[in-house]
Amino acid sequence: RKEVEQDPGPFNVPEGATVAFNCTYSNSASQSFFWYRQDCRKEPKLLMSVYSSGNEDGRFTAQLNRASQYISLLIRDSKLSDSATYLCVVKGDGGFKTIFGAGTRLFVKA
Amino acid sequence: DTAVSQTPKYLVTQMGNDKSIKCEQNLGHDTMYWYKQDSKKFLKIMFSYNNKELIINETVPNRFSPKSPDKAHLNLHINSLELGDSAVYFCASSDGTHGDTQYFGPGTRLTVL
Repeated sequence: RKEVEQDPGPFNVPEGATVAFNCTYSNSASQSFFWYRQDCRKEPKLLMSVYSSGNEDGRFTAQLNRASQYISLLIRDSKLSDSATYLCVVKGDGGFKTIFGAGTRLFVKA
Repeated sequence: DTAVSQTPKYLVTQMGNDKSIKCEQNLGHDTMYWYKQDSKKFLKIMFSYNNKELIINETVPNRFSPKSPDKAHLNLHINSLELGDSAVYFCASSDGTHGDTQYFGPGTRLTVL
């Protein structure tokens, strides 16, 4: 089983749609969780951290379920500029080892 | 001001050659990383340094040798390059805490012919 698993997609959605991505992780001792975004031929950039109580940043909502070892990202009112690969990221119990999921590709179409 | 910079941006070389990639960060971070992103876009950690000390070495062939002359620099030297080394190599830095953000360099696209 991979340490961090994501559905690779691609997800093809129209502008204005709501889309959700899921991610599971295998190490129950994992401490920190993030969503990063990577545009084509660019470096990954932090989209948002994921907190136990769930958190929201504008159109983006992240949720963490420690019991099920599951992380989600919800994007509301999708924009063309949201087209990218979304990477689920888990930080190990040692604090330094960071594991990236393979990413979920999103295409938002006009 | 570029926070994390890498040179070169592109590197094309022959099998068997030795090459280096340089990374510098001006964020004052204690921790730096090297990642490899292969053709399938999977991003995998290779090394992590904290205060110039190697703390993670993820089953990387010993042809790859990182060097950290100071906290702001982490260079990657690769000996006897192989076709399978072709990938994009990203350097990153963070302050090393659990909830910290990693800042990535723009990547070095290595092609081995």
